[in-house]
Amino acid sequence: AQKVTQAQTEISVVEKEDVTLDCVYETRDTTYYLFWYKQPPSGELVFLIRRNSFDEQNEISGRYSWNFQKSTSSFNFTITASQVVDSAVYFCALSEARGGGADGLTFGKGTHLIIQP
Amino acid sequence: EAGVTQSPTHLIKTRGQQATLRCSPISGHTSVYWYQQALGLGLQFLLWYDEGEERNRGNFPPRFSGRQFPNYSSELNVNALELEDSALYLCASRGVSKNIQYFGAGTRLSVL
Repeated sequence: AQKVTQAQTEISVVEKEDVTLDCVYETRDTTYYLFWYKQPPSGELVFLIRRNSFDEQNEISGRYSWNFQKSTSSFNFTITASQVVDSAVYFCALSEARGGGADGLTFGKGTHLIIQP
Repeated sequence: EAGVTQSPTHLIKTRGQQATLRCSPISGHTSVYWYQQALGLGLQFLLWYDEGEERNRGNFPPRFSGRQFPNYSSELNVNALELEDSALYLCASRGVSKNIQYFGAGTRLSVL
């Protein structure tokens, strides 16, 4: 069975600080996808990134960066120079490649990020 | 390009009634997923529809059902509502080529 663990329930930082959200996953599949989504108070899940299990390259997009380490089954998300607009709940998710997504996404419990001005 | 749209935004029902939630996928997407986000339970996979057929369901009772129409829009029906069905129901659509699910804003169902 697949499992995603986000151990940090809530993180509060002051604006402009860097913050890292942790994600650890478990799967028996050799081919899988990892995702990060952002859920602002409006409720809609906003897609941020997808990472294929074969691609361990880290990725940077503006102030956002992701560190994928297969050896530790982790897919951490860092926000550099945080801003108040980054305040939201962030979810890490896992999907097996086999079966075409039949089991849907397996989500972690989410990390509530609060950026204080 | 329009995103995933869900209606209604809010729905209030009483215990025992039936609820119908609707979802329109992104144009060109043929797969629709439904998820339940209940307080304390997190986001849980409910149903997957693709090309008009139910392909898989999560660990939910049969009173959660739905369908997908020829235009790929989808409907989620919840029969014999129980108080614990109160939750945010999110719909997502996925295209054929990319394994990325894009979500709508959800329907907040309150069962009184």
